[in-house]
Amino acid sequence: KAGVTQTPRYLIKTRGQQVTLSCSPISGHRSVSWYQQTPGQGLQFLFEYFSETQRNKGNFPGRFSGRQFSNSRSEMNVSTLELGDSALYLCASSPDRGSTGELFFGEGSRLTVL
Amino acid sequence: SQQGEEDPQALSIQEGENATMNCSYKTSINNLQWYRQNSGRGLVHLILIRSNEREKHSGRLRVTLDTSKKSSSLLITASRAADTASYFCATGSGTYKYIFGTGTRLKVLA
Repeated sequence: KAGVTQTPRYLIKTRGQQVTLSCSPISGHRSVSWYQQTPGQGLQFLFEYFSETQRNKGNFPGRFSGRQFSNSRSEMNVSTLELGDSALYLCASSPDRGSTGELFFGEGSRLTVL
Repeated sequence: SQQGEEDPQALSIQEGENATMNCSYKTSINNLQWYRQNSGRGLVHLILIRSNEREKHSGRLRVTLDTSKKSSSLLITASRAADTASYFCATGSGTYKYIFGTGTRLKVLA
């Protein structure tokens, strides 16, 4: 069974640009969560999607958005990039909703904002 | 602020020694998990302990949970160089999101 796949793995953007990151969960997993990881703040919860609906959202500005498709694949978008958005963005999938069991993480997308 | 706070932030031990790291959290939880992250990569699930459990084992790992103190500990016995990684606790409290701590960086010296 293939694991969680995140693309792209690395990307460099400049301030003011926007970026879209993609996450393909493990086949059969319906819940996808996104986390931002920075050296100073650790892992911060961004949002969770289940059955194409955002079920929970972390404390991030509206520049951060996401969506989930009918095949459970998810994308997150960051608009008007700031230097502080430089981070490793991690996607995790699980068979069912939220905080009831193990999360399966992808390798992450490392975003550098110049 | 983070729900889980790991302690110590960094730990350096010799191969063969035991490594203990602790996690404290602030609110009631349904379960607590430990994850490992090798440098700059994704997290790998190690073990999950539910709020009604006090201790759990998996191979060389032993996890304890004290809900009265809102704390958990992860013990890795007979450490190996391959155990070098960052370790994170994550708490689940029924709000459909996990709260991660800031991690303990473990270095096992060969």
